[in-house]
Amino acid sequence: SYVLTQPPSVSVAPGKTARITCGGDNIGRKSVHWYQQKPGQAPVEVIYSTTDRPSGIPERFSGSNSGNTAALTISRVEAGDEADYYCQVWDSVIYHWLFGGGTKLTVL
Amino acid sequence: QVQLVESGGGVVQTGGSLRLSCAASGFTFAVSPMHWVRQAPGKGLEWVAFVSNDGSLDSYADSVRGRFTISRDNSRNTLFLQMNSLGADDTAMYYCARHREEGSFDYWGQGTLVTFSS
Repeated sequence: SYVLTQPPSVSVAPGKTARITCGGDNIGRKSVHWYQQKPGQAPVEVIYSTTDRPSGIPERFSGSNSGNTAALTISRVEAGDEADYYCQVWDSVIYHWLFGGGTKLTVL
Repeated sequence: QVQLVESGGGVVQTGGSLRLSCAASGFTFAVSPMHWVRQAPGKGLEWVAFVSNDGSLDSYADSVRGRFTISRDNSRNTLFLQMNSLGADDTAMYYCARHREEGSFDYWGQGTLVTFSS
């Protein structure tokens, strides 16, 4: 079965750029979605269809996808960006949805 | 604005059953496919089940197939998850989420907690 692999943690200083990766076999052929989850809160969609931002999500959040790695990039990181981030793909043939294991972003 | 409010969580014992509900408002529920997603304490997100807008198509994660049933009542703008043969591994926060055409989950409820008692 398909597996999405994320690093357990990423640390970044305020004002710098954070890059959170999501690995999968030929994931570059898939549409990848990203969610932010802060402690005690429901997840929030921050990127869909690999590069699109929902209304209200800052331009600092962007996505990319090529080969075996998709990535969520957060520019000019702020303290409020500290959260868990999850990637997700959809198998539209068998109608199954899959999440990566999640990455905890720490703002130093 | 879009609102999804889950209810029905609680403490269950081995082999028990529970029915979760998700009340939807702020959008046209009858045209929106829906999902249940769960999160065990301290763990990641796990997709559980999907239902099409009219209820004619559903799909389940392998971990719950045969035990859980997703359904909906479009006349009451409500999504359901009937959970049977529950076990400790089913302890989690259960979220309902709206399906986006591109395959993501664009709106989430705040969740309802299902805990296990031996």
